[in-house]
Amino acid sequence: QSVLTQPPSASGTPGQTVTISCSGSSSNIESNYVYWYQQLPGTVPQLLIYRSTQRPSGVPDRFSGSKSGASASLAISGLRSEDEADYYCATWDDSLSGWVFGGGTQLTVL
Amino acid sequence: QVQLQQWGAGLLKPSETLSLTCVVYGGSFSGYYWTWIRQPPGKGLEWIGEISHSGSTNYNPSLKSRVTISVDTSKNQFSLNLNSVTATDTAVYYCARGSRGFWSRPFDMWGQGTMVTVSS
Repeated sequence: QSVLTQPPSASGTPGQTVTISCSGSSSNIESNYVYWYQQLPGTVPQLLIYRSTQRPSGVPDRFSGSKSGASASLAISGLRSEDEADYYCATWDDSLSGWVFGGGTQLTVL
Repeated sequence: QVQLQQWGAGLLKPSETLSLTCVVYGGSFSGYYWTWIRQPPGKGLEWIGEISHSGSTNYNPSLKSRVTISVDTSKNQFSLNLNSVTATDTAVYYCARGSRGFWSRPFDMWGQGTMVTVSS
């Protein structure tokens, strides 16, 4: 049982917009930045979004992050087949004094 | 170009101690939290713990009683020891570069991962 709650799966067709949610609490998401990671099949996770809404250089602007209260979302617009991956949210938890991850969302491009 | 390279035993018996080491090439070793994260087969990511260059540590409460993370700044290395392993500790173990604060980009660099299997 993960501290952060994500839907286990999401799907969309090429060109669509898909949104992945990440739900937490006052001790984690509500009071800290949220980070998103993309893990392509068989590879190491890569930082996709930092400081809740910022993209590292090299990440397409099709990826965007948002946060409101104790929840955060990752939106992927103009869905492409290469976006098929697992996506994880993460943040610091003040109560646990440690990092917590969501359980991950497997994105399928139909 | 920062690179993290990790190594350690990949097959353990129950009750043994898991030991992994990660070396950091390039970039600064100070100012970051050097982190261990694991991923059981087919499952999600789990933060194990972190250590600063000065040796300050934070551990996942669920693993704290069995985990020790240490650092050797002279070699830009940090290590993970997890004792009394069981089959539930079977996972890919990653080292990663962590950070905190406004300018941070935690876990922006990762080691290649080490598959650790616990089996009798």
